[in-house]
Formats: sequence, structure tokens, C-alpha cells
Amino acid sequence: EPEVTQTPSHQVTQMGQEVILRCVPISNHLYFYWYRQILGQKVEFLVSFYNNEISEKSEIFDDQFSVERPDGSNFTLKIRSTKLEDSAMYFCASSDGGSNEKLFFGSGTQLSVL
Amino acid sequence: GNSVTQMEGPVTLSEEAFLTINCTYTATGYPSLFWYVQYPGEGLQLLLKATKADDKGSNKGFEATYRKETTSFHLEKGSVQVSDSAVYFCALAPTGGGNKLTFGTGTQLKVEL
Repeated sequence: EPEVTQTPSHQVTQMGQEVILRCVPISNHLYFYWYRQILGQKVEFLVSFYNNEISEKSEIFDDQFSVERPDGSNFTLKIRSTKLEDSAMYFCASSDGGSNEKLFFGSGTQLSVL
Repeated sequence: GNSVTQMEGPVTLSEEAFLTINCTYTATGYPSLFWYVQYPGEGLQLLLKATKADDKGSNKGFEATYRKETTSFHLEKGSVQVSDSAVYFCALAPTGGGNKLTFGTGTQLKVEL
């Protein structure tokens, strides 16, 4: 079965540093998402991306965050200047349509900001 | 806004025991409801869903019924196996569709022999 791939599985960074989390969505999918889960809290929606632009974003997704699809296969989340509170598990997801029935998630990147 | 509340874990059961993981939600209109499962080292996978009141979603022996009167979507399985050990997430999607899901905190299930 096709799967969404995320790298790295763990990322440790110093506060104030930039990080880029990488995702390879399923190849024929058109809609891409980032979610995150702070330890002990709920999985939260960050952003959705379609047709090379952000289609929706949450209030968490401020100017420190950006997303990009730099080529035909990768989908990245950049955090420009990390804060301690950015420590979380970040999940990438993709779907082939806007329907919520076909959302495929990656296994996540655990980001630790020290 | 929308929210999902599910029972806290971890839940530890013996093999063949009955499982219930409670989930309640707050939302306007008629959301779609989901259970996702995350096995160790893997991504979240859709386990089952229901898109309207009184619908029952089922998969792999798991069931959940969309109860609008109690705003609940409890997950049940009659006889759990060790291989069911995972984290289970209840989620909803807003009325009208879209993939901006609202999740609960997840409930870790551990099944022992």
C-alpha cells in the first residue's frame, strides 16, 4: 500500500534555529497537510495546501511557519526561529481529493527544541 | 469551535476482553466522525468512520455508532487481541467536508496475554 514518508523521524534543534521537516506524500495526491501533537495534548491542524498555495491555516500557523512543495515529490514545513513550545510530533498527511475519507498520514517527525 | 474529548489512557486489557473507548464531541451542524489508529512506528490510519447520525462504522472487529443525541462516537470491540495494542484517536470533520480534522488526545491501548 502506498504511504506518506516523513524525514527525519527525530529532530533536535536549539532554540532560535531554523528547521525544515520533510514529507513525501503519496504520488498521485493533490492535497497536503501538516498537523502536530504536543506531548499529552490533542493532534492539531496546522495548514492545508493545494495547487501550490495554502488553502487553509490555523491560528498556530503564524509567520514563523511556512510550507513549500519545492518539486514534484516533496512537501516541507519550515519553522524559521524555533521556540521551546514548538517541540511536538509533526504529522504530514495527503489525500487525492478534498474528501475527508481519504486522508493518509505519515509516521511523524518528533521535534525537540532545547 | 469544534472539540473532541476522549477517555484518557493508558488502557490495559487482557486478550479477549471487551473494549470501550469513550469519545464525545462538540460541533455545529452535522460533522463526520472518525477513529484513527496509530501502531508503534507508523502513521495514523483511518480505522472507521460515520458520516451521519445513527450510522455505524466498522472495521477489523471494531465498531462505533454516531449518536447525535448524546454527541458520542464510542469505539468498541468484543474481543481484543495483542495486535490491537496501539493509540486510538477520535476525530471529527466539520459539516460540509474538508480535511481540517479536530482530534482528541488519543488513548493508548495495551493488550496483554
